[in-house]
Amino acid sequence: DAKTTQPTSMDCAEGRAANLPCNHSTISGNEYVYWYRQIHSQGPQYIIHGLKNNETNEMASLIITEDRKSSTLILPHATLRDTAVYYCIVGTFQAGNNRKLIWGLGTSLAVNP
Amino acid sequence: DAGITQSPRHKVTETGTPVTLRCHQTENHRYMYWYRQDPGHGLRLIHYSYGVKDTDKGEVSDGYSVSRSKTEDFLLTLESATSSQTSVYFCAISERGQGGYTFGSGTRLTVV
Repeated sequence: DAKTTQPTSMDCAEGRAANLPCNHSTISGNEYVYWYRQIHSQGPQYIIHGLKNNETNEMASLIITEDRKSSTLILPHATLRDTAVYYCIVGTFQAGNNRKLIWGLGTSLAVNP
Repeated sequence: DAGITQSPRHKVTETGTPVTLRCHQTENHRYMYWYRQDPGHGLRLIHYSYGVKDTDKGEVSDGYSVSRSKTEDFLLTLESATSSQTSVYFCAISERGQGGYTFGSGTRLTVV
């Protein structure tokens, strides 16, 4: 399964959009892009996932480049509660394939007042 | 975390003792997973279950066993705890396919 590259840390002002990049240049055609976040000491929280098309839900938007080699998670109006570590993972979460998923160290996003 | 509970939340145990962690779900989801999280590492899959009595190994399964005798409970046992198993353990559930996982709040285990 593909490995991802994310910046170690980022800052964002409260109320502004937070754009978190992820590179996954070795992604395969059937692999999805997933985003999770982990607020300190809590379990990871699923945010969004996509295959080819851009996706939006109540939490965030996911923009995937046409060649699928990179993506951006957008939090449109960041709040202090969005301060967390954000993980970009590529692969498939189906049981049997999930053992190959690689959870990196993610991006530590600090939202500042 | 809605529908998924881990117990205990914290545990300190001695080297060489067996330890069992419990994951309980009320969502009737088919799939359940145990992960561990350590500083400097991402989450790593220990074992998972795809149904009652159906389990399989993850990438770091040595020293761990699991059991699932009913849909709602997935137990993780450290057969003889070692200091290297000091970690935060997360349980997760999913219904099927490509959807995201729901994680529990974690169990912080310290082996002394």
